[in-house]
Amino acid sequence: IAGITQAPTSQILAAGRRMTLRCTQDMRHNAMYWYRQDLGLGLRLIHYSNTAGTTGKGEVPDGYSVSRANTDDFPLTLASAVPSQTSVYFCASSDSSGSSYNEQFFGPGTRLTVL
Amino acid sequence: GQNIDQPTEMTATEGAIVQINCTYQTSGFNGLFWYQQHAGEAPTFLSYNVLDGLEEKGRFSSFLSRSKGYSYLLLKELQMKDSASYLCAVNDGDYKLSFGAGTTVTVRA
Repeated sequence: IAGITQAPTSQILAAGRRMTLRCTQDMRHNAMYWYRQDLGLGLRLIHYSNTAGTTGKGEVPDGYSVSRANTDDFPLTLASAVPSQTSVYFCASSDSSGSSYNEQFFGPGTRLTVL
Repeated sequence: GQNIDQPTEMTATEGAIVQINCTYQTSGFNGLFWYQQHAGEAPTFLSYNVLDGLEEKGRFSSFLSRSKGYSYLLLKELQMKDSASYLCAVNDGDYKLSFGAGTTVTVRA
């Protein structure tokens, strides 16, 4: 593996179903992030984690949950999907060691459609 | 909240120069990034500015004025492959980036 992987690549989901989007990085980055990208709105932060064992809410956290049991994995769960959660989801990671330089590396994205 | 503004679309001719402006009003400032995103792909890093001035990297340059809350990305000698969205993002502290909505650049022959 080189960088960040996400699974699935795309998914069509019935409203009300539970769904977990997977994200794994092999760069040993301490910080990880989940974004959604919608036309005209750009990338919006859903949840983030500064280090394993800690998580925080971003700009649009409602309806989503995350966990960070280890450094490499950062799954995003939709407990009960709704059509407004139709979007492209990007996972990202960065080596944020306290400096201002916080280049984030992005995974390939998951295209989710909720019907 | 954070406010990051950039134009929605720009069109330019192959070989020309295009300047994409970004203005920001954020609760904190700890650096500004530019990312490139081709349709259907992930964003990729282009440049980083934390001090005032111009950073040059090949055909791409980025400028920052912290006092004006302003940055621009300059793309020179445009090529067809430069057709993409360009995202301005501000590090407002605490590891997080706030993104603008992106500028779609179309390069025409």
